[in-house]
Amino acid sequence: KNEVEQSPQNLTAQEGEFITINCSYSVGISALHWLQQHPGGGIVSLFMLSSGKKKHGRLIATINIQEKHSSLHITASHPRDSAVYICASKGVGGADGLTFGKGTHLIIQP
Amino acid sequence: GAGVSQSPSNKVTEKGKDVELRCDPISGHTALYWYRQSLGQGLEFLIYFQGNSAPDKSGLPSDRFSAERTGGSVSTLTIQRTQQEDSAVYLCASSTSGSRLETQYFGPGTRLLVL
Repeated sequence: KNEVEQSPQNLTAQEGEFITINCSYSVGISALHWLQQHPGGGIVSLFMLSSGKKKHGRLIATINIQEKHSSLHITASHPRDSAVYICASKGVGGADGLTFGKGTHLIIQP
Repeated sequence: GAGVSQSPSNKVTEKGKDVELRCDPISGHTALYWYRQSLGQGLEFLIYFQGNSAPDKSGLPSDRFSAERTGGSVSTLTIQRTQQEDSAVYLCASSTSGSRLETQYFGPGTRLLVL
């Protein structure tokens, strides 16, 4: 069974700081998702990647398949980036739903 | 176009009652997923529908939980004889075809409280 671990669980930073959230998983996967959830809000998909690196605005996601590890980076962080960031894996076989990490609660202070 | 919609947005029920939660996926999306987000448990997969194939029910926590998808579109998640531990936000997501390399689009969720 795939286990998805995220770190840190909580992160508070100052506006403008470079943010890194880490995700590791225990078995081979077909894709890794990064999701964002604002307080009281719905879940938005940020990235879906199976290899390499993707960039969207100030957000960058990378994955290392051999090391079973992914990172989400936020450059020039802003208070509106405050949210819970969740990584989730999609398996190669078995259940077709996502397996989720417990999330990283990010607070960016002005 | 419209995103994934869910109803009701909130539901309060008494222990032992049955509840039905509805999901309208994005038009044209053949893959539909149900997830649950409980306090302290995080998100967990419940069930997956893909087209006319038999659903993947491997995530359903007990036989009190069931789901249907009529006409390949709207889905209903039913919880029978609700228990307090069923209290959670139930999320629906859809994707174009269920391919492993697709983005899933999430609905706003139904917040269920079992008293």
